[in-house]
Amino acid sequence: SAVISQKPSRDICQRGTSLTIQCQVDSQVTMMFWYRQQPGQSLTLIATANQGSEATYESGFVIDKFPISRPNLTFSTLTVSNMSPEDSSIYLCSVEPAINEQFFGPGTRLTVL
Amino acid sequence: AQSVSQHNHHVILSEAASLELGCNYSYGGTVNLFWYVQYPGQHLQLLLKYFSGDPLVKGIKGFEAEFIKSKFSFNLRKPSVQWSDTAEYFCAVNAGRGYNKLIFGAGTRLAVHP
Repeated sequence: SAVISQKPSRDICQRGTSLTIQCQVDSQVTMMFWYRQQPGQSLTLIATANQGSEATYESGFVIDKFPISRPNLTFSTLTVSNMSPEDSSIYLCSVEPAINEQFFGPGTRLTVL
Repeated sequence: AQSVSQHNHHVILSEAASLELGCNYSYGGTVNLFWYVQYPGQHLQLLLKYFSGDPLVKGIKGFEAEFIKSKFSFNLRKPSVQWSDTAEYFCAVNAGRGYNKLIFGAGTRLAVHP
């Protein structure tokens, strides 16, 4: 298993600003994932972040809007840039310490005014 | 494109009632199937998973799910629910493609009344 923490747990931001979300895991993992859960909807994968390489983005998500860093095997950040109210969501990171078993962080609840 | 459908968005049951939550997926190849649960105020947790073998999978807390390949289904069941099962349940599919992308259903909110 893996224990994952995220910071901040929630934030309220003004449109046009950016927020960086941190994800810390208690063990070294190769693959980390960032998901978005919009109000009333399911989880959608934003990107996969492997240490030492650029993140791989899913259709509909671009690096300029959601830049990701993965400086080491236990940490990643996701930035939500130039925010609009449509970016109001819960953002979750997950890790896959074993094949086909993902563990999720507690999420960051973002509200954009 | 792959998708996952959960038929019930909200389910309300009394304690001791039986539970079945539907999940269908659209993907023609080999899949791995998961049910995740999110209790109020807690992280998303893995409830059970199916990769291969016996299509009836046992999970934690008395839950089970049956993979029916011909129906593209992976329904979640519990014979007798408890108040503590109140949570949101997500079905997910992993269709591989070089990295382990999980595709989630919309979720089902279960409320169990004592």
